[in-house]
Amino acid sequence: DVKVTQSSRYLVKRTGEKVFLECVQDMDHENMFWYRQDPGLGLRLIYFSYDVKMKEKGDIPEGYSVSREKKERFSLILESASTNQTSMYLCASSLAGAYNEQFFGPGTRLTVL
Amino acid sequence: AQSVSQHNHHVILSEAASLELGCNYSYGGTVNLFWYVQYPGQHLQLLLKYFSGDPLVKGIKGFEAEFIKSKFSFNLRKPSVQWSDTAEYFCAVNAASGTASKLTFGTGTRLQVTL
Repeated sequence: DVKVTQSSRYLVKRTGEKVFLECVQDMDHENMFWYRQDPGLGLRLIYFSYDVKMKEKGDIPEGYSVSREKKERFSLILESASTNQTSMYLCASSLAGAYNEQFFGPGTRLTVL
Repeated sequence: AQSVSQHNHHVILSEAASLELGCNYSYGGTVNLFWYVQYPGQHLQLLLKYFSGDPLVKGIKGFEAEFIKSKFSFNLRKPSVQWSDTAEYFCAVNAASGTASKLTFGTGTRLQVTL
């Protein structure tokens, strides 16, 4: 089974802190994704990566950056956390190709105070 | 840009009732369509997907969905729901090209099944 793990289930940070969310997948998937999930808004794509060191902006990249130095690991960085970034963050991975399903991690619930 | 609409935000059904959740998308080209489910406290997981062929697709746990191209719809159905189907359901679409399966999700439908 594909396994996507995220470094923390719950995280509490203060406004202005730099926050790192880590995601690791164990199935050699080419694609990795970061979403945020908010009630009534569904999942919105922040960034995705289709190869090591490659990244593309999603629908809501402002205030975020990403890093993919190794194929299995995809990091989401909040350069200066703000209260409106309080959310559930989901990581996903998939094989290359538009018809392949994405496999999701358990999510990190981030609270910014 | 593609978009997905799920008109039912919260649905409450009794066990054994039939289910149909609406999903409409807007995109001019060929699409791949997905339904994902998130059970309470669990990961988002794939229910079913359509990318070509028979427009009626069957997924896990007795769910099915029908792609109607002329209506830009991909509604999810189940003839008889169970209490264990209580979950949030998300419809998603991507363009059927490119190497990255960048999905656009709907806002989700919360299904509550009562005993």
